[in-house]
Amino acid sequence: EIVLTQSPGTLSLSPGERATCSCRASQSVSSSYLAWYQQKPGQAPRLLIYGASSRATGIPDRFSGSGSGTDFTLTISRLEPEDFAVYYCQQYGSSPGLFGQGTKLEIK
Amino acid sequence: EVQLVESGGGLVQPGGSLRISCSASGFTFSSYAMHWVRQAPGKGLEYVSSIGNNGGSTYYADSVKGRFTISRDNSKNTLYLQMSSLRAEDTAVYFCVKASRASYSLGYFDYWGQGTLVTVSS
Repeated sequence: EIVLTQSPGTLSLSPGERATCSCRASQSVSSSYLAWYQQKPGQAPRLLIYGASSRATGIPDRFSGSGSGTDFTLTISRLEPEDFAVYYCQQYGSSPGLFGQGTKLEIK
Repeated sequence: EVQLVESGGGLVQPGGSLRISCSASGFTFSSYAMHWVRQAPGKGLEYVSSIGNNGGSTYYADSVKGRFTISRDNSKNTLYLQMSSLRAEDTAVYFCVKASRASYSLGYFDYWGQGTLVTVSS
């Protein structure tokens, strides 16, 4: 099975700054079947990005995804107050669709 | 609007059984695979199980294989998870999740329910 490792574990930034979250896979993720989810406290996760770089419906264009093979990145260009949350990557190119351990984005 | 509403969670003793349900609306339920994902208190997301759109194929995480059974009733737009031989480490919020395609493989998880809490404790 493919193991995903996210870094950093916690990212402390201020509104208006740029955020970069990394997701590294133990094996190549086929056809960029990599998704990113956002989860706020007490809420269900929400799909942000699929296919490594395609934004889900209704997701603002300040969120972008990139990468291929074993290295993927989620970038938030200018942080808004509502963006402070936990972000998870997931590969869905092979079963099971395991998740990374998450990156917590907190207000500095 | 896609809606997924879980129910049936609660407190159960170790070794006990519980069935949780997910009522779906706002999309053609029988056309999509479905998943269960759980989250222990203060922890990350853990994949649990998947089922294809017609119920003919299923998949389980190793941690629940042989103890949990996923099923669906397309006539009722409802997804189920039958859990038995429950352990303390099964304590979590269980999320019902819609897949982006009919097969559970090669599909991302596009809509999530709010979850139902299962607590395994004596």
